Amino acid sequence: NAGVTQTPKFQVLKTGQSMTLQCAQDMNHNSMYWYRQDPGMGLRLIYYSASEGTTDKGEVPNGYNVSRLNKREFSLRLESAAPSQTSVYFCASSYGGYNEQFFGPGTRLTVL
Amino acid sequence: QKEVEQDPGPLSVPEGAIVSLNCTYSNSAFQYFMWYRQYSRKGPELLMYTYSSGNKEDGRFTAQVDKSSKYISLFIRDSQPSDSATYLCAMSYGNQFYFGTGTSLTVIP
Repeated sequence: NAGVTQTPKFQVLKTGQSMTLQCAQDMNHNSMYWYRQDPGMGLRLIYYSASEGTTDKGEVPNGYNVSRLNKREFSLRLESAAPSQTSVYFCASSYGGYNEQFFGPGTRLTVL
Repeated sequence: QKEVEQDPGPLSVPEGAIVSLNCTYSNSAFQYFMWYRQYSRKGPELLMYTYSSGNKEDGRFTAQVDKSSKYISLFIRDSQPSDSATYLCAMSYGNQFYFGTGTSLTVIP
């Protein structure tokens, strides 16, 4: 099993450009999550999907949109990137809200 | 006030030492408590997971939860250089997960 995979691993954008971060899991998990990790701030939840067909905002959703494409895939879209969105983005999945999360390797995004 | 507070360190110990990592929290609704290890430029990996007060042991690692004090700890016995990483505590209720900012640990050979 690959676990949680993310693409791309690295990305550099200019202010105003858009992009989609892709995430997939092969553990048959119901719930999927997107976090950003910044120095001194820890992991902060952007959006989550408790089950296929549902999405909810987390702590820092502004400037992002998500799509739960199917049970395996959960994408994060930046419509108009800003330098404040420079961060490391992690996708995670779990069987449900009361279960531990498993993380992908992360995407390092720089917005110039 | 943050939901979860964790001393960022850094913490530096000699090989073989016992390491104690701690987090406090403010929300009594938290039901599940986790510790993650994160190596540099990698994603967090789950170390320990518990939902009750008391101790849980796994090899050299012991997780301790005190719900009455809203305090959790991770103890690492016989620390090894390979334990050098950032350790994140995490807590959850429902689909709400909150993470500490992480404690950076270096184990010196």
